[in-house]
Amino acid sequence: KAGVTQTPRYLIKTRGQQVTLSCSPISGHRSVSWYQQTPGQGLQFLFEYFSETQRNKGNFPGRFSGRQFSNSRSEMNVSTLELGDSALYLCASSSRLRTSGDANTGELFFGEGSRLTVL
Amino acid sequence: GDSVTQMEGPVTLSEEAFLTINCTYTATGYPSLFWYVQYPGEGLQLLLKATKADDKGSNKGFEATYRKETTSFHLEKGSVQVSDSAVYFCALRNFGNEKLTFGTGTRLTIIP
Repeated sequence: KAGVTQTPRYLIKTRGQQVTLSCSPISGHRSVSWYQQTPGQGLQFLFEYFSETQRNKGNFPGRFSGRQFSNSRSEMNVSTLELGDSALYLCASSSRLRTSGDANTGELFFGEGSRLTVL
Repeated sequence: GDSVTQMEGPVTLSEEAFLTINCTYTATGYPSLFWYVQYPGEGLQLLLKATKADDKGSNKGFEATYRKETTSFHLEKGSVQVSDSAVYFCALRNFGNEKLTFGTGTRLTIIP
């Protein structure tokens, strides 16, 4: 079974530009989460999508957005890039079954990440 | 809010040494606890987990026990190998929530 696939693996942008990152979850997984990893802040939760709806959001500015498609693939977008957005962006998928409450939250499987450099 | 505090690194050990990486947490509710490992240039891999008090997670010779009374989940291995060199992250997840809260990570280097 194929793992979580993230594209592109590496990209370089300049300040003010925008970027879109893509994540294809493990087949059958409906939940996709995004994390930002930086040397200074560590791993921080960005947001989670389940069945095309954002279920949870971290403490990031509105420049960071995402969406999920009917096939569970997800994209995240960062607009008006700043130098501090340079990071490894990790996507994770899980076999979460329901939206909340006593939902069976399955194990999270991570992709290898998209490394963004902002110049 | 939820938080995870783990041992500052880097940690350097000789092969076959005993490893302990400390992890303590603060959480609302009754979280599940995890250790993830990140090898150079790769994403995160789940190493082990525990979902309730006194549970012991184990994998590849690593162990960690969920201690509710001390809010801890320390990672141990009896005899480390060079291939264990990586960054280790302690994390928690509250029930019904996909969000993982991570510690800062501990870089482990094993020298032959």
